[in-house]
Amino acid sequence: NAGVMQNPRHLVRRRGQEARLRCSPMKGHSHVYWYRQLPEEGLKFMVYLQKENIIDESGMPKERFSAEFPKEGPSILRIQQVVRGDSAAYFCASQADRGGNEQFFGPGTRLTVL
Amino acid sequence: AQKVTQAQTEISVVEKEDVTLDCVYETRDTTYYLFWYKQPPSGELVFLIRRNSFDEQNEISGRYSWNFQKSTSSFNFTITASQVVDSAVYFCALSWRTGANNLFFGTGTRLTVIP
Repeated sequence: NAGVMQNPRHLVRRRGQEARLRCSPMKGHSHVYWYRQLPEEGLKFMVYLQKENIIDESGMPKERFSAEFPKEGPSILRIQQVVRGDSAAYFCASQADRGGNEQFFGPGTRLTVL
Repeated sequence: AQKVTQAQTEISVVEKEDVTLDCVYETRDTTYYLFWYKQPPSGELVFLIRRNSFDEQNEISGRYSWNFQKSTSSFNFTITASQVVDSAVYFCALSWRTGANNLFFGTGTRLTVIP
C-alpha cells in the first residue's frame, strides 16, 4: 500500500526554465492538495484538485503557476519561467474524501532555482 | 478568518525532560479540525493527530499527549521524557468543514532535544 509519491525529490532549474513537479496520490484517493514551504517557514496552501477539476486555487500565484490532475496519471504542478523566489519545498497531500480526514503528505520536491 | 499561532519559534530541552508545544487558533467555523504534524530533519511531514471541534477529550499516545481546550482556543502538545529522536519542527494546523478543506498551518516550533 504505497503512500503519496512525489518526483523528482530534488529539482534544480536555472532562472527562466520550467519546473514540473509530479504527485501520485495514495490508491483510492481522489483529492490532491499542493503546498509550498519557503525556507524556515510553515507550509502554505496553493491549490486543491479533484480528478480533472481545480476546486480551489486561491493560494496559487496568478502568473506562471498552474496545476492539473488528469483522469489518468499523476497531478502536475507546473511553474513556468522560474525565478529565485520559487526555490522552496513543494509538498502534495492526498485525501480519501472531504470532511476532515487527514491528509497524507508526500516526501516533497525541493526546487532550487539558480 | 483562520489563524494558527505557534508562539514558540524554538525550544531546547535536555533529554528526558517534558516539553509542551503551544498552539492557539482562530476560526469562525463551528466545525473544524486540528492537526499536529512532525517534520524531522529529513524533511518529510509525519501526521501525528487529528481532533475535531466536537471532541474535547484529551488524548495520549505513548509519550505524546494533546490538550484541546475550546474555551481558550488552544490545542497544546506535550512530549513526556523527550528523546533525541523527537528533535524536529512541529506544525499545528487547522482545517474547516466549509470551503476547500485545505490545511492552514502555523509557523512551526523547532524542538531540539539535547542528549
